Amino acid sequence: DTAVSQTPKYLVTQMGNDKSIKCEQNLGHDTMYWYKQDSKKFLKIMFSYNNKELIINETVPNRFSPKSPDKAHLNLHINSLELGDSAVYFCASSPLTGGVFGEQFFGPGTRLTVL
Amino acid sequence: QKEVEQNSGPLSVPEGAIASLNCTYSDRVSQSFFWYRQYSGKSPELIMSIYSNGDKEDGRFTAQLNKASQYVSLLIRDSQPSDSATYLCAASSGSARQLTFGSGTQLTVLP
Repeated sequence: DTAVSQTPKYLVTQMGNDKSIKCEQNLGHDTMYWYKQDSKKFLKIMFSYNNKELIINETVPNRFSPKSPDKAHLNLHINSLELGDSAVYFCASSPLTGGVFGEQFFGPGTRLTVL
Repeated sequence: QKEVEQNSGPLSVPEGAIASLNCTYSDRVSQSFFWYRQYSGKSPELIMSIYSNGDKEDGRFTAQLNKASQYVSLLIRDSQPSDSATYLCAASSGSARQLTFGSGTQLTVLP
């Protein structure tokens, strides 16, 4: 199936640990994103990335870092996890159509719980 | 700071009625506007996009855009219980390649 996939679906870990979330898209899209959705359901952009440009939301702590081995993958690494990092993290991708920003397609989400 | 604002609701409508969801945005250079539907525990799903002033219809859904008023709306005709979800409004400027989401409006369609 063509889709945006993420692993793991659930992640429970202790404060201070380092963890990664993987994302893959087979839609042939140029651009991938990471979002954080908090308990109030507010969806906030963390990063957008294509093979030329990384745009970082300035409010994202530098403990968070995206890593892209190739165009179809954008992984999220989180160092020194804190309680406030508990949230659902969504990966998304979008095409670039005719120079205009295209619609985004979301992965199923990773629910991160930091104890 | 670019903002997208929605009434958080909850909004309840009876089955068969028209549900009206509203959204305003602060960034005048925003070019593209989207409505996403998110069921509880699921990921956002794109249901409508609109780029120019006026109405755009797709089945039971109609998106309306008024750039002068910086206002976007979504009408759902003949609402069904399966439409019960949180609806997220999003705006982007093409150069930024990023979406700014509103906080969402929770819709409940009562049988």
